[in-house]
Amino acid sequence: AQTIHQWPVAEIKAVGSPLSLGCTIKGKSSPNLYWYWQATGGTLQQLFYSITVGQVESVVQLNLSASRPKDDQFILSTEKLLLSHSGFYLCAWSSDWGVYAEQFFGPGTRLTVL
Amino acid sequence: GDSVTQTEGLVTLTEGLPVMLNCTYQTIYSNPFLFWYVQHLNESPRLLLKSFTDNKRTEHQGFHATLHKSSSSFHLQKSSAQLSDSALYYCALGATGGNNKLTFGQGTVLSVIP
Repeated sequence: AQTIHQWPVAEIKAVGSPLSLGCTIKGKSSPNLYWYWQATGGTLQQLFYSITVGQVESVVQLNLSASRPKDDQFILSTEKLLLSHSGFYLCAWSSDWGVYAEQFFGPGTRLTVL
Repeated sequence: GDSVTQTEGLVTLTEGLPVMLNCTYQTIYSNPFLFWYVQHLNESPRLLLKSFTDNKRTEHQGFHATLHKSSSSFHLQKSSAQLSDSALYYCALGATGGNNKLTFGQGTVLSVIP
């Protein structure tokens, strides 16, 4: 069975500090990977997606970047956090490429920027 | 761009009554894919049901929805609400623009009371 793990579970960071969030998928080779952001009381917004190692496409610009250093790993980062970055970050994967593919979400990371 | 509208932010129902959560969408694409994701408290979103076939009823776990392209709607229904149905429900639209982008609505909180 596939499992998806996100780290850390929660972060409290200062404005202007760097950030790195991670996501790992086990039990699935070559998954399609996605990063989502959920603002408090807001909707889910897709940030990035990746079809293969080393390739990441940006969907929305939020002064964040993403990388896929390994087949099973997806990293979300920024060098300077903004207050507006606060929220819930979700990693997701799908086995099929195509808009109809079911996406499976991880447990998420709660980020508070002060 | 694509958009999804969920008109109700909160729906409160007594157990046993029928459920109807509204979802309408806008897209330039003639073959949209529509999804309902459900997120229970302290959990990640998971797919409830999906469809891309016009006027065909899709069912899963007691819930059903029918994509109506003529009215750009994909309302979620259930004949009898259960306490365990209390959750946040997202309607989402898949675009065929090549990036697997899902556009989510604002979400509807369904609260089922005894």
